[in-house]
Amino acid sequence: ETGVTQTPRHLVMGMTNKKSLKCEQHLGHNAMYWYKQSAKKPLELMFVYSLEERVENNSVPSRFSPECPNSSHLFLHLHTLQPEDSALYLCASSQSPYRVGNQPQHFGDGTRLSIL
Amino acid sequence: DAKTTQPNSMESNEEEPVHLPCNHSTISGTDYIHWYRQLPSQGPEYVIHGLTSNVNNRMASLAIAEDRKSSTLILHRATLRDAAVYYCILNGGGADGLTFGKGTHLIIQP
Repeated sequence: ETGVTQTPRHLVMGMTNKKSLKCEQHLGHNAMYWYKQSAKKPLELMFVYSLEERVENNSVPSRFSPECPNSSHLFLHLHTLQPEDSALYLCASSQSPYRVGNQPQHFGDGTRLSIL
Repeated sequence: DAKTTQPNSMESNEEEPVHLPCNHSTISGTDYIHWYRQLPSQGPEYVIHGLTSNVNNRMASLAIAEDRKSSTLILHRATLRDAAVYYCILNGGGADGLTFGKGTHLIIQP
């Protein structure tokens, strides 16, 4: 039990489908993150939210749309994805991203996404 | 975040200590040294972090060189469940998230 729960664990979708990934943290943290982990590549930061406000967007294509309705929940809405978007999508949380760098991030186990 | 350098892979025997090295010669004064590990089919797991002094917790120990240009993660008694990819990351705070490299793939032999 990591304190960060992601659903679904696996998702297969066509390029024209619309789906959403969900992340929930039970740690009382104020910052949440989306990362992408492609095969044989390091984790890449996609989005950062602090107190439900987006503070970082690492040039992610608009077919990925994040939403943070409150400090415990984070969504990643997907539409018109490409085969190269197949990857493990990881959610993480931390106390706050703006403090000094002594705050660990806590990760969920990810959603394995496959685009047909 | 500044760059770190780690060996691609290491192998050790079960129940023996493991020393995982990390070089970070361009570390700045405000960067904390973090270690995470990722087991197969799981997300990264926080292991330990430190700034200048050596640190111990229930999972591992972190030894930091006096000039802070390198550090070593120490697993005192490796088990098969410690087989994972270990990432050494510098965290200077801010909104940049964590910058992961390729890490060290630790193999534990029974």
